[in-house]
Amino acid sequence: ETGVTQSPTHLIKTRGQQVTLRCSSQSGHNTVSWYQQALGQGPQFIFQYYREEENGRGNFPPRFSGLQFPNYSSELNVNALELDDSALYLCASTHSGGGGNEQFFGPGTRLTVL
Amino acid sequence: GQNIDQPTEMTATEGAIVQINCTYQTSGFNGLFWYQQHAGEAPTFLSYNVLDGLEEKGRFSSFLSRSKGYSYLLLKELQMKDSASYLCAVGSNYQLIWGAGTKLIIKP
Repeated sequence: ETGVTQSPTHLIKTRGQQVTLRCSSQSGHNTVSWYQQALGQGPQFIFQYYREEENGRGNFPPRFSGLQFPNYSSELNVNALELDDSALYLCASTHSGGGGNEQFFGPGTRLTVL
Repeated sequence: GQNIDQPTEMTATEGAIVQINCTYQTSGFNGLFWYQQHAGEAPTFLSYNVLDGLEEKGRFSSFLSRSKGYSYLLLKELQMKDSASYLCAVGSNYQLIWGAGTKLIIKP
């Protein structure tokens, strides 16, 4: 186990609703990245937070937003849910910003949008 | 654009050796990662290459050629538990850019 936790494990929502996913990073890590992984695909980068600031963002619309807290835990918020938002949402932590460090993944949150 | 290619699926026999290839074209390069992912689970780290050459770690080895934009993951003495998806990812600027993964099927 990596020490990264996510909640909830599974979630079912309907179109148009809003959802908040949570992630606790590994001890000593100050950077959290969020990924969306559709079935049979590789993860797609949503955004990264480093010391409470957004450090980079992938090709996702503004209805995907996030926060990082002083203890480096993080939230992913998705507004106006669409059917295509159904996916595994992965949180990964690392000890500094950037893409050159091993990222430690949480178990993921499986979101189903009906 | 940014692109990472790897085969969709491979089949191998228990006890054998398999090589999974990955080619990449990215705007930045901070190293190449291989992750293993079992169905319904999170990816787990296998290896990291930032310099050209071979990195060996037990039954798993990973090779990188930066000039060719090419890497491979070599799995030896295959076991049934190695049945999983293997994801190639490139560190680029602030993110990891991922391939779609190679589903490895191990047959007895």
